[in-house]
Amino acid sequence: EVQLVESGGGLVQPGGSLRLSCAASGFTFTNYWMHWVRQAPGKGLVWVSRINIDASSTRYADSVKGRFTISRDNAKNTFYLQMNSLRAEDTGVYYCTREDGWYRSFDSWGQGTLVTVSS
Amino acid sequence: QSVLTQPPSVSAAPGQKVTISCSGSSSNIGSNYVSWYQQLPGTAPKLLIYDNNKRPSGIPDRFSGSKSGTSATLGITGLQTGDEADYYCGTWDSSLTADVFGTGTKVTVL
Repeated sequence: EVQLVESGGGLVQPGGSLRLSCAASGFTFTNYWMHWVRQAPGKGLVWVSRINIDASSTRYADSVKGRFTISRDNAKNTFYLQMNSLRAEDTGVYYCTREDGWYRSFDSWGQGTLVTVSS
Repeated sequence: QSVLTQPPSVSAAPGQKVTISCSGSSSNIGSNYVSWYQQLPGTAPKLLIYDNNKRPSGIPDRFSGSKSGTSATLGITGLQTGDEADYYCGTWDSSLTADVFGTGTKVTVL
């Protein structure tokens, strides 16, 4: 069974940092591109970042470019989102998700981890 | 902010049909595959439709997808109370070079 489990969320002050982790199991992690998607309270889904299979290519939404860094450790079947210079508008639930290679759909999702940026 | 526009809400009685539209442009829906996601209250999104009209294993055939030009549509027939959820379309935008989601539609079963 495919499982994605996020961790690392919490309360942080504006300007602070957090690192989210997503532990993957039940599939060959090195075959998949992985993504982070977030959802502000009461709002819709917003794509944040993605990483390819060997971490040679990453991409970010304009709203987080220069502040967030995505990475992965294939030996640990885990990928990460390092979030720096956090702002109130970064508040929300962060989901890790797996991309289907052919159709660019997100075919498995974690349960989400809540990040709250507030003083 | 989103480049994909959906109606905020749709509703119908149990057993009836609803359709949800997703309007985009030539750089997203017009040239890429469309997916649809269901988000039940308090849960993570779940893939409902991929490749415009294909259902993953386990998704009932009450759910269907279609695409024409720069728009896509999700249909739900035989509406059930368990279908009450938010639904999002999604695709790749070749101009933005980013994945994008629709604004989301809340389905209410009357």
